[in-house]
Amino acid sequence: AQSVSQHNHHVILSEAASLELGCNYSYGGTVNLFWYVQYPGQHLQLLLKYFSGDPLVKGIKGFEAEFIKSKFSFNLRKPSVQWSDTAEYFCAVNAHNYGQNFVFGPGTRLSVLP
Amino acid sequence: GAVVSQHPSWVICKSGTSVKIECRSLDFQATTMFWYRQFPKQSLMLMATSNEGSKATYEQGVEKDKFLINHASLTLSTLTVTSAHPEDSSFYICSASWTGRDTQYFGPGTRLTVL
Repeated sequence: AQSVSQHNHHVILSEAASLELGCNYSYGGTVNLFWYVQYPGQHLQLLLKYFSGDPLVKGIKGFEAEFIKSKFSFNLRKPSVQWSDTAEYFCAVNAHNYGQNFVFGPGTRLSVLP
Repeated sequence: GAVVSQHPSWVICKSGTSVKIECRSLDFQATTMFWYRQFPKQSLMLMATSNEGSKATYEQGVEKDKFLINHASLTLSTLTVTSAHPEDSSFYICSASWTGRDTQYFGPGTRLTVL
């Protein structure tokens, strides 16, 4: 069965610091990869996704993620965080053999201090 | 585009009653809708997947007689929590997609509190 792990439960950064959130999955086949963000009191929003092609994908709000197939990883990065990036971040994996079902990681809470 | 709404956003009910939650795709036809449950400070757990016009497929451990899912049209799916108990209190989130689309679009969620 698929599983998704996220390295950190809670990350605390100061504004302008760089961010990297880890995501690893366990599935040997072809996958689609996603990062979703959930701002306080709001619904999940898609940050970025990887289906194929260039393993470095750029998303909204200055986020990017790199797919490293050999490491089964899809880490999320942002060079300089802002207070408004405070949110919960979820990595999700969709394995091609599992239809449209997603498996979500446990989430990482990001707190950015002003 | 691809907006999903849920109603109600928050519901409080007495133990033993049933609660219906609606999930609507506002600007697209959703051939598939998903229902998730999210406990505080935890990730989303998929409960079931429903395709329009057919019975929902439930994940292991989810009681189909307790969580009734109906996907009667391409824009509406409902989740009915029957004979709710306090342990059913949670945040229920739906998402929707369409055939050939590998991205899910999420609703804002419904917070259920069972007293």
